[in-house]
Amino acid sequence: DAMVIQNPRYQVTQFGKPVTLSCSQTLNHNVMYWYQQKSSQAPKLLFHYYDKDFNNEADTPDNFQSRRPNTSFCFLDIRSPGLGDAAMYLCATSRDKGQGDQPQHFGDGTRLSIL
Amino acid sequence: GDSVTQMEGPVTLSEEAFLTINCTYTATGYPSLFWYVQYPGEGLQLLLKATKADDKGSNKGFEATYRKETTSFHLEKGSVQVSDSAVYFCALRTNAGKSTFGDGTTLTVKP
Repeated sequence: DAMVIQNPRYQVTQFGKPVTLSCSQTLNHNVMYWYQQKSSQAPKLLFHYYDKDFNNEADTPDNFQSRRPNTSFCFLDIRSPGLGDAAMYLCATSRDKGQGDQPQHFGDGTRLSIL
Repeated sequence: GDSVTQMEGPVTLSEEAFLTINCTYTATGYPSLFWYVQYPGEGLQLLLKATKADDKGSNKGFEATYRKETTSFHLEKGSVQVSDSAVYFCALRTNAGKSTFGDGTTLTVKP
């Protein structure tokens, strides 16, 4: 089945130690998103890629970066994780940007813990 | 800006009870509306959607109708099961592709 896969499911890192979360998709969708979700709150959009075009949300801290080396893969890099960055990180895709009637497809998330 | 307001939870029901989770929205233009469900430790899964006024989305016994006049998209199910216990998110998506989510409503169904 076509899907969005996130690895790892659980990630533990130390305060200040860089960490990378990965996402891959077999849907061949143009758009890939990264969300941060805390305690079953609404997902908060960090940034998204439309093809190779990177779009950062205005309130996303500089500590968060992203890479999309090809259509299938997208990475979330946290340069110096703080305790407040402990959360579930969700990757999502959509076929195209202008198709508001199409849903987003989510991975199962990576739960990040900071020691 | 766009916003989605959901009924506050948590909601606790007995098995076979009727479920309503209220959702209202504010948006410019004509967004599409979605309900997503999130089971513990998992990502969001699309439950149902409606793309224009008076459309009814339905799936797995859940239904929601796009009401433009009341800017609402309430989720209903006639008889809930224990397996329906999850967090439910109402969301809108504009033609520019931007999604706005509600804060989620936690549903617990007891046997």
